[in-house]
Amino acid sequence: SAVISQKPSRDICQRGTSLTIQCQVDSQVTMMFWYRQQPGQSLTLIATANQGSEATYESGFVIDKFPISRPNLTFSTLTVSNMSPEDSSIYLCSVLIGGTYEQYFGPGTRLTVT
Amino acid sequence: RKEVEQDPGPFNVPEGATVAFNCTYSNSASQSFFWYRQDCRKEPKLLMSVYSSGNEDGRFTAQLNRASQYISLLIRDSKLSDSATYLCVVAHYNAGNNRKLIWGLGTSLAVNP
Repeated sequence: SAVISQKPSRDICQRGTSLTIQCQVDSQVTMMFWYRQQPGQSLTLIATANQGSEATYESGFVIDKFPISRPNLTFSTLTVSNMSPEDSSIYLCSVLIGGTYEQYFGPGTRLTVT
Repeated sequence: RKEVEQDPGPFNVPEGATVAFNCTYSNSASQSFFWYRQDCRKEPKLLMSVYSSGNEDGRFTAQLNRASQYISLLIRDSKLSDSATYLCVVAHYNAGNNRKLIWGLGTSLAVNP
């Protein structure tokens, strides 16, 4: 398994501002992902964070709104830009271990936009 | 039809009961299957992978039925601490040969004293 930390754990932000969430893993991992989980909903994949290249975004998510960095194999950031109340959600960083599909998650960042 | 479907519940059972959840999937090319557990206001955690031959981990048994395209999770001798949402996850390769994980909405279990 992997130990994954996220910062901040929670934040309350004003609409129109941006927040950058950090994800740190205690070991090198190939695959890192960013998910969103809105209240009462399951997980929605935002993008795959690729080391050394642009992230791969899922349908409905764009780089201008959710820019992602992945400078190395243990760290990634997700920025939620120009926030609106609809962006209020839990944002989760996740990694895949080895060649399996087994995913491990960070503790999440609880974002509230007012 | 959703790619992965689960009965949202809630399932309310007494301590010591046996409870089973099913999860159906639509993509017959799906290759890997998992059950995750998510406690309230916490991140999902891997409970167990589901193998073709079925697998057991203590009180938990997972089975795969490829012909009918569903997986199941059986919990025996339920404990209060089993109360959580159980998420079904199905994985396959898409047309671009990228792995895709499809998450169910989860089944809520409440074990009562």
